[in-house]
Formats: sequence, structure tokens, C-alpha cells
Amino acid sequence: NAGVTQTPKFRILKIGQSMTLQCTQDMNHNYMYWYRQDPGMGLKLIYYSVGAGITDKGEVPNGYNVSRSTTEDFPLRLELAAPSQTSVYFCASSSGQGAGEKLFFGSGTQLSVL
Amino acid sequence: GNSVTQMEGPVTLSEEAFLTINCTYTATGYPSLFWYVQYPGEGLQLLLKATKADDKGSNKGFEATYRKETTSFHLEKGSVQVSDSAVYFCALARQTGANNLFFGTGTRLTVIP
Repeated sequence: NAGVTQTPKFRILKIGQSMTLQCTQDMNHNYMYWYRQDPGMGLKLIYYSVGAGITDKGEVPNGYNVSRSTTEDFPLRLELAAPSQTSVYFCASSSGQGAGEKLFFGSGTQLSVL
Repeated sequence: GNSVTQMEGPVTLSEEAFLTINCTYTATGYPSLFWYVQYPGEGLQLLLKATKADDKGSNKGFEATYRKETTSFHLEKGSVQVSDSAVYFCALARQTGANNLFFGTGTRLTVIP
């Protein structure tokens, strides 16, 4: 019962470095999401995808890029890491986009940019 | 706009105490309301939901009632256990659009034996 798998769990980056956060789901969900969670704040949507080949910006997309070449994978790319990107990142998926849809979350990636 | 306001934590309770975590919302239209729970080291998981006014969501002894007149969705449990220690997030979902879920800031609950 893998569900949504995120890697890595922890990462420390230097300012200006790049990295990719990986996310894979095995539930054949069309909808996938990337959120960030800053201390004392709610989750903010970075990017989302409604299916392979289709992505769109969320509330806080600056400094990030995504791609969705397959239904299963939705990687998040940080090109030039900045301290403001220090956060916990969650990937999620859902089978639909209706208001009552349940989201399935990965266990998160804790990223520090120093 | 759409937003969710949760009571600030952290909340510390003794085992078997009564729990209330307040949540109020602002939304256009008729949103669905959710409580998600995040146990230590894990991702968020859905605890309960309600999709229309006066609906009561319940799961694992937790309950929340969708109150349109007070725009609230307070989480309650009659007798908490140590295993309920977690962070609880209230959220609302608009009726349309994939970018439609709004989360509160989360409330950390610690239950002590």
C-alpha cells in the first residue's frame, strides 16, 4: 500500500543550488499537487496537475517548476534555491477535483536552504 | 475570498479529557469542509468531512458539524487518547476547480497520560 511516495525526506541546500523533489503515486490518480508548509502557516499550493502533460500554477509558484510526463510522477524542481524556500513540501493526489474529494498526501520533504 | 481560521495551539490535554478545536471559514458559495490530521513523521490524512450545511462528519470518535449560520466546523472528541497527539488542519474546498482547497494553519494537540 505505497500511496504517495516522496523523496528525499530531508535535504539541506546552499543558496543558488538546484534540486528536484520526487513524487510518485500508484493509485492511478489524475490530479496531483505540490504544497509547502511554512511554520505557523497553513499549506499553500505551489503547482498542480490535472493529468499527464497538463500543469498549472497555484498560489505560490515563483521559484519552482514542475512537469507531468506520466500519470504516476510529478516532480518539483527548484532551480536557484533561496532561503525563502526553506519549508516542508508535501505532494498529494486525488482521483477527481470535486469539492468533496479526498486528497492523499506523501510524508513530506523537509528542505533547508542556507 | 476563501479562508479558514483555526484556533491557535498548541493544545495540551490529559488523557480522557474533552477536546474542541475551533474552525471558522469565509467562503463564496457552498464549500465542503474537512479535517485532516498529521501524525508525527507522516503526511496529512483525511479525518472527516461534511459537504453541506448541517451535515455531521465523524470518524475515530471525532465529530464536526457544518454550521452555515456561524460559518464554523469545530472538531470535537469526548475522550482523547495519547494516540490522538497530532496536528489537526481544518480545510475548505470550493465547489469548482482543481485549485480549490484552502487550509488553516493547523493546531498541534498533545495528550499526556
